[in-house]
Amino acid sequence: AQKITQTQPGMFVQEKEAVTLDCTYDTSDQSYGLFWYKQPSSGEMIFLIYQGSYDEQNATEGRYSLNFQKARKSANLVISASQLGDSAMYFCAMLVNTPLVFGKGTRLSVIA
Amino acid sequence: DTAVSQTPKYLVTQMGNDKSIKCEQNLGHDTMYWYKQDSKKFLKIMFSYNNKELIINETVPNRFSPKSPDKAHLNLHINSLELGDSAVYFCASSQFSTGTLSNTGELFFGEGSRLTVL
Repeated sequence: AQKITQTQPGMFVQEKEAVTLDCTYDTSDQSYGLFWYKQPSSGEMIFLIYQGSYDEQNATEGRYSLNFQKARKSANLVISASQLGDSAMYFCAMLVNTPLVFGKGTRLSVIA
Repeated sequence: DTAVSQTPKYLVTQMGNDKSIKCEQNLGHDTMYWYKQDSKKFLKIMFSYNNKELIINETVPNRFSPKSPDKAHLNLHINSLELGDSAVYFCASSQFSTGTLSNTGELFFGEGSRLTVL
C-alpha cells in the first residue's frame, strides 16, 4: 500500500526566510507522481507543485521547489523568501495508479 | 468561471436526516472524486468515478451513496446522518483515471462543503 508521511505537524518561519517541509513516501511502484497542495484558512485546496518519478530535474514553481531524493523516498517542499500569506496547511500527496493519497499535513506559520 | 463547484458550501443538520452535496466540473475531465477532510485535517478518498462509472469505493458506510448522472457531475447523498459525519467534503476532478499516470496529474478541487451534524 502507498503511504505518505509528513512528520512535522507544525512549523514556524520568519518572514523572508526559507523553510523546508518534509515529506517521505513509500511505494514499490516505479512510476508515481508527488504533489504539494496548500490549504489556507479559507479552506480551498491550492495545487503548488508536481514531481514525476522519472523527472530528472527537481520541480520548481516560483518560490516553491521540490527537493526530490528518489533513493531516500523523500519529496520535501522548499519555500524561499517566506511571506505572511504562506501561512497555511501544506499537504504532500502521492499518485500511484490510485487517487491521490495525502499526508497528514504540516501547518506553517510565518512570523513577521 | 469556477472549474469545480460544490453546493452547498455550508450545511448544518440534525442527526438522522438525509442530505446531499452536489458537484459539477466544467473542465471536461473524465474522473471525479469525493474526499473527506476530518477535524484533524486528514484528507481521505471516499469515491472515484470515471465516465460515470464507480472505480474506487473506499471503506465508507453504505449510508453514503455517490451518483454520477454524467461525467461532469458527481453528487454525494448521505442517509441517516451521524455526528461523526461532520467534516469538510471536497469534490475534485482530474484528466486521468486509475491506471494512467499523467505528467501533470493535478487534481482540481472544489471549495469544499462543511457539514455539521448536531
